[in-house]
Amino acid sequence: EAQVTQNPRYLITVTGKKLTVTCSQNMNHEYMSWYRQDPGLGLRQIYYSMNVEVTDKGDVPEGYKVSRKEKRNFPLILESPSPNQTSLYFCASSPQGVVGAGELFFGEGSRLTVL
Amino acid sequence: RKEVEQDPGPFNVPEGATVAFNCTYSNSASQSFFWYRQDCRKEPKLLMSVYSSGNEDGRFTAQLNRASQYISLLIRDSKLSDSATYLCVVNILPGGADGLTFGKGTHLIIQP
Repeated sequence: EAQVTQNPRYLITVTGKKLTVTCSQNMNHEYMSWYRQDPGLGLRQIYYSMNVEVTDKGDVPEGYKVSRKEKRNFPLILESPSPNQTSLYFCASSPQGVVGAGELFFGEGSRLTVL
Repeated sequence: RKEVEQDPGPFNVPEGATVAFNCTYSNSASQSFFWYRQDCRKEPKLLMSVYSSGNEDGRFTAQLNRASQYISLLIRDSKLSDSATYLCVVNILPGGADGLTFGKGTHLIIQP
């Protein structure tokens, strides 16, 4: 089954404790992206990757890191989480090179709470 | 500046009614347009692309007005299962997905 898988789905952690949210897709998509969704602010892009070893900042990259060592994986790293990073996080992927492509395939989301 | 604006609602609509909502975008160079649907606490999913000539998929009709820079979504004979948040998405770049900008969504509630 074609899918984007995020882990963990739910996490409660404390300020400053490094954490990683994994994202994996099995559709051989070149493009992957991370978003956070907060009430009243909608979906905001954190980082995206056009292909292996190519990553770029989105609209809200502060406090986050990413890596793209393999095509299928795009982990989101919070080196020192803070309470303002409490949010619902979505990973998404998409094939490149398709004219007008706008279909993002989203993971089920990871709800993170930082105390 | 990337900007996509939607009325957040909620729109409370009786079952069976027709409902329509718009989305305005500020970048006149925007290339492609989409409506996504997001159920509560779930991931967004593509509902339909919006073509220049307008397009229809069952009870759903999407329209694009480039002159006034807005897209619209019309839902006919609304069902309880149509209750969701509808996200307007605009791509400012040709092809690919890196230019996607999301609106904050319009919350629709279909009432029995």
